[in-house]
Amino acid sequence: LAKTTQPISMDSYEGQEVNITCSHNNIATNDYITWYQQFPSQGPRFIIQGYKTKVTNEVASLFIPADRKSSTLSLPRVSLSDTAVYYCLVGVYSGGGADGLTFGKGTHLIIQP
Amino acid sequence: GAVVSQHPSRVICKSGTSVKIECRSLDFQATTMFWYRQFPKKSLMLMATSNEGSKATYEQGVEKDKFLINHASLTLSTLTVTSAHPEDSSFYICSAVRRGGPYEQYFGPGTRLTVT
Repeated sequence: LAKTTQPISMDSYEGQEVNITCSHNNIATNDYITWYQQFPSQGPRFIIQGYKTKVTNEVASLFIPADRKSSTLSLPRVSLSDTAVYYCLVGVYSGGGADGLTFGKGTHLIIQP
Repeated sequence: GAVVSQHPSRVICKSGTSVKIECRSLDFQATTMFWYRQFPKKSLMLMATSNEGSKATYEQGVEKDKFLINHASLTLSTLTVTSAHPEDSSFYICSAVRRGGPYEQYFGPGTRLTVT
C-alpha cells in the first residue's frame, strides 16, 4: 500500500499559481496517482489523474518525475473558491477490487484575496 | 459526466435504531463501490469495498455486523448502520468506479448521520 505525505496546509493569494507536492516513495509499478478536492460537508471531487510525466486538463496540471516517487499538483491562477482540502491518492483498481485507497491527511489550501 | 448520488443527505436517528443509506451511480455502471466515513476535520477512512453480487470486503476494525453493505445491482449499494449509537455519528461518503474504467473514483455528496 503506497502511503502518501503532503503538507498539512498552504496559503496563497488570488491569481497566483499554487503547487502542492505529494510524496509516495513506495509507489508500485501499476499504481496511478489521483488528486481530489474536497469542500466541507461534500464528497471529494476528482481533479486529475496520471501515471507518469505530465498531465493537463482544464483545471490543473499534474507533474510526475521519472522515478514517480512524488507528484505535484499545479493550480493556475487560483481564486477564493479554490480554498479546500486537496488529497493525493495512489493506487490501482484491478479485478473488481482496489488497492491503495488510503487517503492521507490532505493539504488544506487557503486562498486569500 | 459520472454522477453518484446518496440518499438521504442528512439523517437524525435515535440511539438503538437502524439507518439505511443508499448510493447510486446515475449514469454509469459501477463494478465496485466504496464506503468511507469522515469525522470533522479528519481525512476519509475507507470502511469497506462493495462488489456487485458478492459480499463486501471490510477494512480492519470495521464491524461487518454493524455496518451492513448490500450491492444489489451495478448502480446501487446500500449501507445500513444497525443499532446506531452516538459514536456512529459521522459523515458517510460512497464512491464508485466505472465498469471498464477509467480507474478513478466518483464520489457521492455524502450523508450526515447524527445519532441522538
